[in-house]
Amino acid sequence: GAGVSQSPSNKVTEKGKDVELRCDPISGHTALYWYRQSLGQGLEFLIYFQGNSAPDKSGLPSDRFSAERTGGSVSTLTIQRTQQEDSAVYLCASSQYSESEQFFGPGTRLTVL
Amino acid sequence: SQQGEEDPQALSIQEGENATMNCSYKTSINNLQWYRQNSGRGLVHLILIRSNEREKHSGRLRVTLDTSKKSSSLLITASRAADTASYFCATDGGYSTLTFGKGTMLLVSP
Repeated sequence: GAGVSQSPSNKVTEKGKDVELRCDPISGHTALYWYRQSLGQGLEFLIYFQGNSAPDKSGLPSDRFSAERTGGSVSTLTIQRTQQEDSAVYLCASSQYSESEQFFGPGTRLTVL
Repeated sequence: SQQGEEDPQALSIQEGENATMNCSYKTSINNLQWYRQNSGRGLVHLILIRSNEREKHSGRLRVTLDTSKKSSSLLITASRAADTASYFCATDGGYSTLTFGKGTMLLVSP
C-alpha cells in the first residue's frame, strides 16, 4: 500500500504570508505526528493526533502554528504570518498505534524569504 | 535539552567495517527506536526495542539497550556505501510522542 504522502514537496513563500502543508497518512493508522527539522538538526516534535482525542499541541512553537486532522485521516499544518526562522523541513508521520513504529513522509521543505 | 543524544556526531569508515553509534537518554522509556535519514528528507524506521528487551537484531543491524545506564547502541556490520546516511535514535519518554536526538552522520567510503 501507499506510504505517507506530503504536499507540496517544496514551498517558497514571502515573510508574512500564510502557508498550508498537507499530510496523507497510511490508511488505517490512528496516530499522526508533525515534526520540524531545521538544517543540521534533529527532529522537533510539533503536534500529535490520536484517533478522536484532543491533539497534543505541546510542541507547537507559537500560536502562529496550528493543525487539523479531518475525519481521522488527512492533516493540514498551517503557519500564519511566516517568519524566516520557520524555514525548515516539515515531516509528517503516522503509526498504527500510538506506541508503534512511525512511518514518515518525504517532508515539505519550506523556505521563507 | 534533547531526550536522546547520539554519539559520535559524525563517523567515517571504509566499506566492510562495522559502525557503532550510541544513544543516551534521560527519562524512563517504553521503547527506543532507531531511524535512518538520507539527504535530509524522509526518515526510515530501522528497529524498535522495548524497555524489557536487551538486544535485538535485524539483518546487519544489532541494537542493544541498557535501561540502567539509559543508553542504546546501534551496530551496523559489514557496512556498505549505501549505508551512508544520518542515524537518529528516538525515545518515547513514557509518552506516545517521540523525541529525537541530533543524529550521527555516517559516511561509508568504497
